[in-house]
Amino acid sequence: DAGVIQSPRHEVTEMGQEVTLRCKPISGHNSLFWYRQTMMRGLELLIYFNNNVPIDDSGMPEDRFSAKMPNASFSTLKIQPSEPRDSAVYFCASTLGLDEQFFGPGTRLTVL
Amino acid sequence: SQQGEEDPQALSIQEGENATMNCSYKTSINNLQWYRQNSGRGLVHLILIRSNEREKHSGRLRVTLDTSKKSSSLLITASRAADTASYFCATSRDTDKLIFGTGTRLQVFP
Repeated sequence: DAGVIQSPRHEVTEMGQEVTLRCKPISGHNSLFWYRQTMMRGLELLIYFNNNVPIDDSGMPEDRFSAKMPNASFSTLKIQPSEPRDSAVYFCASTLGLDEQFFGPGTRLTVL
Repeated sequence: SQQGEEDPQALSIQEGENATMNCSYKTSINNLQWYRQNSGRGLVHLILIRSNEREKHSGRLRVTLDTSKKSSSLLITASRAADTASYFCATSRDTDKLIFGTGTRLQVFP
């Protein structure tokens, strides 16, 4: 298995632009998580899906952030418009059941 | 808000020494997990301990859980330079959702 796949690995954009991050979970996993990691705030859960349905989006910082999971093998996290304070590493993780989560390599986002 | 607080924030030791990291949390849990993160990488699961367990071993790792004190510790024995990383505890209650601690940065000098 290739593990959790994220793309792009690095994204540099200018303030105001739309950013779309992509994630392919491990086949057969039924829960998918989006996290954001910064030095100041640590690792924060943004949103998670179970069986493609958003369960908890309380961590989504504001309306500029949206996430979708159209099918079991794909999810997107979109930021529109992006701001410099959105600069962070964004991780996607997947799991089956209440045990370990498998993390992707992350997308390092820089908003200028 | 983060559930777990880890102590110490940073730890430097020599190869061969043991490293102990502690995690405290605030609410009742279903299980507690420890993850490692190498610089610039995603997190990797190390070990899971359930709320009805008190101690668990995996290779050079030993985890303890004290639910009465709402705390856990991770011991890495005979540390190696390759153990240099950040270590996070994470707790879950009755859903898939994990709440991560603040992490401990471990530096192992050869």
